[in-house]
Amino acid sequence: EAGVAQSPRYKIIEKRQSVAFWCNPISGHATLYWYQQILGQGPKLLIQFQNNGVVDDSQLPKDRFSAERLKGVDSTLKIQPAKLEDSAVYLCASSLDVKGRTDTQYFGPGTRLTVL
Amino acid sequence: AQKITQTQPGMFVQEKEAVTLDCTYDTSDQSYGLFWYKQPSSGEMIFLIYQGSYDEQNATEGRYSLNFQKARKSANLVISASQLGDSAMYFCAMNAFEYGNKLVFGAGTILRVKS
Repeated sequence: EAGVAQSPRYKIIEKRQSVAFWCNPISGHATLYWYQQILGQGPKLLIQFQNNGVVDDSQLPKDRFSAERLKGVDSTLKIQPAKLEDSAVYLCASSLDVKGRTDTQYFGPGTRLTVL
Repeated sequence: AQKITQTQPGMFVQEKEAVTLDCTYDTSDQSYGLFWYKQPSSGEMIFLIYQGSYDEQNATEGRYSLNFQKARKSANLVISASQLGDSAMYFCAMNAFEYGNKLVFGAGTILRVKS
């Protein structure tokens, strides 16, 4: 079974530029998550989708970050314009969405963003 | 609110020995899950083991076991027979059905296995 796919793996941009990340979850997984992991910290949830609807985007900086999951499968996360503090690893995860119980999330390899 | 605390920033262990990584959690939820993930230098977050709050038996997966003490709100990871490839960052995390299953992570523990 294929895992969570992400691209690109690395990206270097200058501040004020825009950047987009792509994620394809494990086949059949209804829920998709984007996390931001700043160096030396644990990941922090940015946005959670269930199918193509947003479940939680309370920690997404909506003035510069946007995300979509149009057909309920793959997803893109965009930053525009980027700031220095956006330098981080962006992790995508997916889970099966088992009703009535907690669920295991499986992560992709991440995209390491450097903003200069 | 949910919170995960990992008090060991770094640990060393001799190859082939066992090591325990500490994790305590705080939640008011009755139904929750506890997870351990391994993050090597490559950056990928690898799922290791899961313990549900209603599971009476401690979870085991190969060389990994989770020492779950519900009353103390602790979920320590035990790695037996350490290998050089176990050197990585280890994160404890939890989620709760009531909070949409989003994961809350601790700060992590760096494990170094010595030969």
